[in-house]
Amino acid sequence: SAVISQKPSRDICQRGTSLTIQCQVDSQVTMMFWYRQQPGQSLTLIATANQGSEATYESGFVIDKFPISRPNLTFSTLTVSNMSPEDSSIYLCSVSGTSYNEQFFGPGTRLTVL
Amino acid sequence: AQRVTQPEKLLSVFKGAPVELKCNYSYSGSPELFWYVQYSRQRLQLLLRHISRESIKGFTADLNKGETSFHLKKPFAQEEDSAMYYCASFSGSARQLTFGSGTQLTVLP
Repeated sequence: SAVISQKPSRDICQRGTSLTIQCQVDSQVTMMFWYRQQPGQSLTLIATANQGSEATYESGFVIDKFPISRPNLTFSTLTVSNMSPEDSSIYLCSVSGTSYNEQFFGPGTRLTVL
Repeated sequence: AQRVTQPEKLLSVFKGAPVELKCNYSYSGSPELFWYVQYSRQRLQLLLRHISRESIKGFTADLNKGETSFHLKKPFAQEEDSAMYYCASFSGSARQLTFGSGTQLTVLP
C-alpha cells in the first residue's frame, strides 16, 4: 500500500486568499485524485491528476478555482483560490494502488475560511 | 451516472449485537463496490471489496444485484467497530470512486 502525506494538516485562512495543499506519495503512482469533504457530507471528487497532462475536473469544479499541479509521479498540489467560507472543508488526496480500482487516502487537510 | 445511497446517517447498536449498514447503488454496468472505514482521528481506509468475497474484522458484504444492494454486516459488533463507514462504487470507464454519504456507527458498551 502507498503511504501518503499532506501539508498542511490544517489551516485557517482569510476570505479572498489562496492556499496550496501538497500531497506526497512514497512510491510512483500514475493516478492521483483530489477530493473535498464538506462538513457532514460525503467525499466529492474534485479532479483527477495524471502526470504529464492537464487535470480532469468533475462537474462543478473549475481550474481557475482549484488549479492542480502534477510535476512528477510522487507529488501533486491543489490550490484553493480566492477562498470564501463555503470552501471550508477537508481536502483529501488519494492515489490508485496496484489494483486499478483500489485507492489509498492521505490524512486530509482541514481548511477553515473566515 | 453512478449513485450510492446510504440511508442511515447514524446507527447505534450494543456490543455483541448484530449490525447491518445499508448501501444501495445505481449503476448501469457491472458494479465494483467497496466499503471504506474511517476510525476516529485516522485516515480513510479500505475495509473490503465485493470482488474479493472476503471477511475483514468480522465484516462481510454481499452484492445483491436484484436489490442493487451491498449491505455491510457483522454478527457481533465490538466497541472498536465504532467509526464512519462509506460505501463506494467504482466506474471502470471513468476510473473513479463514487461515495455514499456515510453511516456513523456507534457500538455501545
